[in-house]
Amino acid sequence: AQKITQTQPGMFVQEKEAVTLDCTYDTSDPSYGLFWYKQPSSGEMIFLIYQGSYDQQNATEGRYSLNFQKARKSANLVISASQLGDSAMYFCAARIQGAQKLVFGQGTRLTINP
Amino acid sequence: DSGVTQTPKHLITATGQRVTLRCSPRSGDLSVYWYQQSLDQGLQFLIQYYNGEERAKGNILERFSAQQFPDLHSELNLSSLELGDSALYFCASSARDHYRKMGTDTQYFGPGTRLTVL
Repeated sequence: AQKITQTQPGMFVQEKEAVTLDCTYDTSDPSYGLFWYKQPSSGEMIFLIYQGSYDQQNATEGRYSLNFQKARKSANLVISASQLGDSAMYFCAARIQGAQKLVFGQGTRLTINP
Repeated sequence: DSGVTQTPKHLITATGQRVTLRCSPRSGDLSVYWYQQSLDQGLQFLIQYYNGEERAKGNILERFSAQQFPDLHSELNLSSLELGDSALYFCASSARDHYRKMGTDTQYFGPGTRLTVL
């Protein structure tokens, strides 16, 4: 069974600094996808970035990038030049090919200080 | 705005009651997923429909049921409600059911329905 582990329950970062949110996953399937979602205090789940297990390069989307280390089964989210609006819960999720559901980690609460 | 709509935003009801949550997927998306987010269980997959047919079931209680209609909107029915059913219920949609390239089947979430059972 898949398992997603986010070891940082909370993180505090100064505005404009870069921040790395950790995510490790456990699956024996060779084909899978990794996702990061942001959940602000308003509650909605916002898709940020995706990484496929066969992708040769780390995914990037604007200020978001994914540090994908396949051998270590980690998919850390890097946010560059953090902003106050980045304060939110961040969830890492995985989906194996052929399965329908996303399996989520417990989340990391990120707080950006001015 | 993800393009997925959910109604109502908030729902307060009593134990033993029955409620219906509604979801409209993004235009063109055929798959609808339901998730439950609670403090103790985190985000859990409940059920998925594709083009009107049930495709996958997760940790969905027998008191809960869902369906997807011909216009592709979906409803999640929760009955004999208990205090522990209080949670944020999300609907998500994606373009397809099976996929070859993972990245083309991202699930986009609606704003959620917050259910409080008193």
